[in-house]
Parts: sequence; C-alpha cells; structure tokens
Amino acid sequence: KAGVTQTPRYLIKTRGQQVTLSCSPISGHRSVSWYQQTPGQGLQFLFEYFSETQRNKGNFPGRFSGRQFSNSRSEMNVSTLELGDSALYLCASSLGTGENTEAFFGQGTRLTVV
Amino acid sequence: GDSVTQMEGPVTLSEEAFLTINCTYTATGYPSLFWYVQYPGEGLQLLLKATKADDKGSNKGFEATYRKETTSFHLEKGSVQVSDSAVYFCALSDFYKLSFGAGTTVTVRA
Repeated sequence: KAGVTQTPRYLIKTRGQQVTLSCSPISGHRSVSWYQQTPGQGLQFLFEYFSETQRNKGNFPGRFSGRQFSNSRSEMNVSTLELGDSALYLCASSLGTGENTEAFFGQGTRLTVV
Repeated sequence: GDSVTQMEGPVTLSEEAFLTINCTYTATGYPSLFWYVQYPGEGLQLLLKATKADDKGSNKGFEATYRKETTSFHLEKGSVQVSDSAVYFCALSDFYKLSFGAGTTVTVRA
C-alpha cells in the first residue's frame, strides 16, 4: 500500500512569490491535514480537510490556504511568501472518522524562502 | 486549548541504557495520545498510541501508559540501541488535529 506522497520534496522561492504544495493521501483515506515544522515553533497545525470540506483551521494568516479534491488529494497554497515561511511542511492522511484514527505522515516538502 | 508539554532534550545515552521521556497534557475532554518519531530528513512515524485512560501502547520495545490522574503519557524503553537515535514527539488528538510537544532529541552512543 503506497504511503502519503508529497511533492515537491524541496522548493526554493523568493519573497513575495506564491507556492503550491501537493499531497496524495493513502488510498481510502478521506482526511488530509497539514502541519508546519520549524526549529523555533515546532509542529503547528495549519488545517484539516475531509471529503473536500475544511473541518478545522489553525492560527495562521490568510496567506495560507488549502483545498481538497474529490479524489482526496490536497493542495496548500502560500501567497506573498515571507522569509519566516521557510519550513518543512508535512501532510498527514487518515480515515478521518472518529477522533482516534491514526495519522500517517508524508516525508514533507522543505520550503526555503530567500 | 489543549496542549502537550514534553521533556526537552537533548538526551544522550549509551547503548542498552534505559530511556524515559516525560510528557504531560492539558485537555478539556479525553483525547487520544500518541508518540511519534522523526528520523533525520524524514516525516513523522507513529510509534504508539493509547485511546483511553489506563491503556498501554507498545511498539518496538517502547511503552507508554495513559494516566488520567496525572495527565501523563511518559515514553519508556528498557534497552536502547543506536538505531533509536531520533526526535520523539508526544501528541494528542483534538477535533481533527494533532497538538504536539516540542520534541525530544535522543542520541544513543555505541
């Protein structure tokens, strides 16, 4: 069974640009969550989607947005990039039904903003 | 809101030593609790979980018990190996999201 796939693995962007990251969940999983990992702030929740609907959102500015498609694949977009957006962005998928379903993580996309 | 406080490292041990990483949580309900491990350059892997009070999660020699009375979920392993060197995260689930502790870097020396 294929795991969670995130593309691209590495990305370098310039301040002010925008970026789109992609996540393909495990087959059959309908929930996709996104997290930002930085040395200073640790792992922070961005948002969660289930069957194309956002069910929860973290405390990030509106420059961070996401969506989920009918095949459960998800994208997140960051507009007007800032240096502080440099981070490892992790996607996790789960069945999404009930609170105790396991979340499986991808390897992440390393975004560097210069 | 719900939160997790975890012993911060770094922790350095010799092979075959005993490992314990403290984790306490604050939650309004009864969340599920998890330990995740992250190896260099990788995403997070679920190590073990517990879904209700007094549950013990175990995997690969690691154990943790969900203690409601002390709101704790400490990770233990009796005899560590060099391959256990990684960053360990305690987490709780709440309304479709995971809240993580700061992570503990563990280095095991041969």
